[in-house]
Amino acid sequence: DGGITQSPKYLFRKEGQNVTLSCEQNLNHDAMYWYRQDPGQGLRLIYYSQIVNDFQKGDIAEGYSVSREKKESFPLTVTSAQKNPTAFYLCASAVQAGSYNEQFFGPGTRLTVL
Amino acid sequence: SQQGEEDPQALSIQEGENATMNCSYKTSINNLQWYRQNSGRGLVHLILIRSNEREKHSGRLRVTLDTSKKSSSLLITASRAADTASYFCATVIQGAQKLVFGQGTRLTINP
Repeated sequence: DGGITQSPKYLFRKEGQNVTLSCEQNLNHDAMYWYRQDPGQGLRLIYYSQIVNDFQKGDIAEGYSVSREKKESFPLTVTSAQKNPTAFYLCASAVQAGSYNEQFFGPGTRLTVL
Repeated sequence: SQQGEEDPQALSIQEGENATMNCSYKTSINNLQWYRQNSGRGLVHLILIRSNEREKHSGRLRVTLDTSKKSSSLLITASRAADTASYFCATVIQGAQKLVFGQGTRLTINP
């Protein structure tokens, strides 16, 4: 099956800890994205990557970091510098980063800070 | 600030009725996309309409775009309980490489 997967589905973090959210796709897509969604809100872009070994900050990158060492993988680290990390995190991919491409979304990871 | 804003924020209708959601945006766009999100899940792409198109259909979905008013509407005809979800518009600003999402419309279809 082709698709985009995220793990874990639920994640609990103690204050001061870094945690890494996994995102994997086997769609052979060049572009990958990380979004944050707060209750009753739309999606806000954290980071995106148009190609391997390259990524750009989105609108709310502070307190987050990413890497893109492989085409199929785009992990997101939520660092202790992110003051309010409790949210639903969505990963997406697209054939290319061009504006006419639809994005395919993973099922999401719900992060809760204890 | 939000590029796209949906209206209404919430909509509740009876099964079989039509549902209309609206999206307004602020700056010139390349295209506008609509997505659906079931509770606690990822988003699913529904339809894309380009800036030079005025109307597009896909099954029970009809999307219109009025660039002079910077607005779009999504019509779902003959609604079903399975259409219960949140619906988001997303715009691609000219010159940008990213989607900007609105806050969504929560649609509830009552049996």
